[in-house]
Amino acid sequence: GAGVSQSPRYKVAKRGQDVALRCDPISGHVSLFWYQQALGQGPEFLTYFQNEAQLDKSGLPSDRFFAERPEGSVSTLKIQRTQQEDSAVYLCASSSGLRDKQYFGPGTRLTVT
Amino acid sequence: GDSVTQMEGPVTLSEEAFLTINCTYTATGYPSLFWYVQYPGEGLQLLLKATKADDKGSNKGFEATYRKETTSFHLEKGSVQVSDSAVYFCALLNAGNNRKLIWGLGTSLAVNP
Repeated sequence: GAGVSQSPRYKVAKRGQDVALRCDPISGHVSLFWYQQALGQGPEFLTYFQNEAQLDKSGLPSDRFFAERPEGSVSTLKIQRTQQEDSAVYLCASSSGLRDKQYFGPGTRLTVT
Repeated sequence: GDSVTQMEGPVTLSEEAFLTINCTYTATGYPSLFWYVQYPGEGLQLLLKATKADDKGSNKGFEATYRKETTSFHLEKGSVQVSDSAVYFCALLNAGNNRKLIWGLGTSLAVNP
């Protein structure tokens, strides 16, 4: 595809459920980022991959959050035992290099009820 | 740590008015600076960027100059249009900070006809 895609676009989960959010980066982009954007806020960094290696996960808010990119392409962000404070838009971005611009997907809006 | 501060919104202007959205930053080293825009219902898009002091980024009539002496990257446009209504985010990328974007909180702009 031409851009970064994310699925699902919207997800409603009951508190305590597990969710999995998918990101398809631009083909060939080695860097992949996940951000969390709460309502009315700027994005907050969660984690970063270079190819399949997760080089920085300092932004993951708790051990309920887990991300993987096993083949260096598609990435999945998993949230276990969702809580209401996890409600946010989860953004994925990819880039081709160190200082290259990041291309963002449309985001997945997660609502935990 | 690195941080970005941008003026609070919402900003409401009439069509053809002059726009300034202030952005200042704190960072070690020599970060790259960005303005991203988020139109209603859409994902984040890069609007413009500057990678070194005194660089001017420009796109779609918007401009911002990287001022190291004032640690600022203010966004300006001489004549706004209704279609410019969106949320604008200032961000920095510091290669020494594992390449993650650090974001301001965003400034909402509404342009009335």
